Amino acid sequence: GAGVSQSPRYKVAKRGQDVALRCDPISGHVSLFWYQQALGQGPEFLTYFQNEAQLDKSGLPSDRFFAERPEGSVSTLKIQRTQQEDSAVYLCASSLGYWTSGSTDTQYFGPGTRLTVL
Amino acid sequence: AQKITQTQPGMFVQEKEAVTLDCTYDTSDPSYGLFWYKQPSSGEMIFLIYQGSYDQQNATEGRYSLNFQKARKSANLVISASQLGDSAMYFCAMRNSGGSNYKLTFGKGTLLTVNP
Repeated sequence: GAGVSQSPRYKVAKRGQDVALRCDPISGHVSLFWYQQALGQGPEFLTYFQNEAQLDKSGLPSDRFFAERPEGSVSTLKIQRTQQEDSAVYLCASSLGYWTSGSTDTQYFGPGTRLTVL
Repeated sequence: AQKITQTQPGMFVQEKEAVTLDCTYDTSDPSYGLFWYKQPSSGEMIFLIYQGSYDQQNATEGRYSLNFQKARKSANLVISASQLGDSAMYFCAMRNSGGSNYKLTFGKGTLLTVNP
């Protein structure tokens, strides 16, 4: 079946512009995650959705970052007034979302959106 | 707080040989899961293998196996019979079973290069 897809794959923005990054999770996956991966680093957690509910946004770096998943499937990560330090790869992941004992509930990742802010 | 340490920024291996990528972790939770992901130059994170903290046996998936030493808090990935296509970044990650049990905490990764 289809995996997690993200669009656009590459985005170049001028400092101060707003950007919107889209994630299409695997069909039927309850949980959706956004991670930020700076150059040469491992991914870092940004936010987590269970269906349409945003249960954790503790990793969002500032109030310029906003994420939504209004119908419990597609999610959008929006960054307002982009800054150079926002340049990174933004990864979306989804999982079935069942945290039962012994279940790996593996997170499956999309290809990411590489954001460059000039 | 959870922490993952990968001390090898880069590793080289000859094709068809085995290689071990190191991962140590730190957590105070008794229940947790450890994951390895592969990230080729295309950028996608590909799930390789999972080890639960209470699993009695080391996990294996094809050419991948996990050398889990709980007392030492290490979860090294062993790739047998390396192939050219194994060249990629490899990330170790951990998820606790406590309150924030959905988050993955990643290490900084190891760049593996397989030489012909």
